[in-house]
Amino acid sequence: QVQLVQSGAEVKEPGASLKVSCKASGYTFTYYFIHWVRQAPGQGLEWMGWINPKNGDTKHAQKFQGRVTMTRDTSTTTVYLDVSGLQSDDTAVYSCARDGEGRGYTINGLDVWGQGTTVTVS
Amino acid sequence: SYELTQPPSVSVSPGQTATITCSATNLGNTYISWYLQRPGQSPELVIYRDVWRPSGIPERFSGSNSGNTATLTISGTQAVDEGDYYCQVWGGSSVVFGGGTKLTVL
Repeated sequence: QVQLVQSGAEVKEPGASLKVSCKASGYTFTYYFIHWVRQAPGQGLEWMGWINPKNGDTKHAQKFQGRVTMTRDTSTTTVYLDVSGLQSDDTAVYSCARDGEGRGYTINGLDVWGQGTTVTVS
Repeated sequence: SYELTQPPSVSVSPGQTATITCSATNLGNTYISWYLQRPGQSPELVIYRDVWRPSGIPERFSGSNSGNTATLTISGTQAVDEGDYYCQVWGGSSVVFGGGTKLTVL
C-alpha cells in the first residue's frame, strides 16, 4: 500500500541540526511532490516546503529560507529534511505528506501523510 | 496569497449536521482541501478540489467553495468524526492552512 514512513523521535540541544527521513513506498516515487509540514505542541499546521523527487527542485516557505534543506535519494525512495540552528520554538512534530497532484500546487490535497517525527529542542 | 480564517470550535450532537467554515477574500477562486486530525494522529484528507472525497471517506462529508467562504459539511455526525479540521489552499507561492476548528460531538 502507499505509505510514507518517517524516522524516529529526536531530542536536540539548541543550536544543533536535525535530519528527518521520509521513506516512500507503494507508488512511483518520482511522480509526486513531497511536502514537509510541522505542528508545534497545541498549535496548527505549518507548511515548510516541498521537494520534487524527480529532479530535486525545492520550494521553501519564506520563514525557513536559509535554514531548511530538502533532499531526496531516488535509489532508496527517501526524502530528507534538514533543519539547522534549532531553537526551542522548533519543538514540533514534523511530517512529510504526498501531494496528490504532480506539480506541487496541492490541487488534489495532501493525500498521504507520514506518521510524524517528534522533535524536542531542549 | 490567502489568510484562511476558521472558527476555533464547533459543537454538534450525534446524528446532527456539522458545518465548518473557512474564509478568505476571493477564496472561491482557488481549490480548497480539508483535513481531519484526530488526537495523536496525522492529518487525513477528507475533501479535495472543493467537493471531492478521497476513496474511503464516508459520503456524509461534503464540501463547497464560493465567494469568500468554503464550507465543510458533515451530515449525520458520528463520534468518530471528532477532531481538529483544517482547511488548506495553494496561496500562489506557498501552501496555506487555516488555524483549525475543533469539532466536538456531544
